[in-house]
Amino acid sequence: GENVEQHPSTLSVQEGDSAVIKCTYSDSASNYFPWYKQELGKGPQLIIDIRSNVGEKKDQRIAVTLNKTAKHFSLHITETQPEDSAVYFCAAWDFGNEKLTFGTGTRLTIIP
Amino acid sequence: DSGVTQTPKHLITATGQRVTLRCSPRSGDLSVYWYQQSLDQGLQFLIQYYNGEERAKGNILERFSAQQFPDLHSELNLSSLELGDSALYFCASSVTVGPGSGYTFGSGTRLTVV
Repeated sequence: GENVEQHPSTLSVQEGDSAVIKCTYSDSASNYFPWYKQELGKGPQLIIDIRSNVGEKKDQRIAVTLNKTAKHFSLHITETQPEDSAVYFCAAWDFGNEKLTFGTGTRLTIIP
Repeated sequence: DSGVTQTPKHLITATGQRVTLRCSPRSGDLSVYWYQQSLDQGLQFLIQYYNGEERAKGNILERFSAQQFPDLHSELNLSSLELGDSALYFCASSVTVGPGSGYTFGSGTRLTVV
């Protein structure tokens, strides 16, 4: 099955600076990589996803990059704001088990 | 509101007891997933149902069971509860099974076992 590793586990960034969260996956057959944001007391929400036929996708201040050769993908948040503080989870599609496999999460804190 | 409804939001019960958590998927979604999230931990996959049939099992204890009903709502049953079962339990749903089927999560049920 798929194994997803996520780093760092915690990240503190000054407001206005950029934040980068990295994930690696093990199954070269994986072709779908979503990112979820979990705010305190809420369920995870999909914020952006990428499929293996593209290398980068942007949505305003959020971007995701994918390196299929190295089997890693990253979330980039630019011009960070206090409301970006949350736990972020990456995930990869596990073909063998037909489900998403999640990383262990990154707690992002934006320092005003 | 994500469209996935979980009840109850909070549950406090004693060790040894049995509880049932309920999930109504987003309209049109056929697949339901259950996850456990302990304090400051990641999302541990428990079990998946698709259109009433069990599809995949994760690290689900034998004391736990689930089912998906004809109207597609799902219930997670936790029995012989232990202190370590205290956690957030999330339900997620998706249209189908396959890559690209993004999950929509509910707001969770916080279970406290005392």
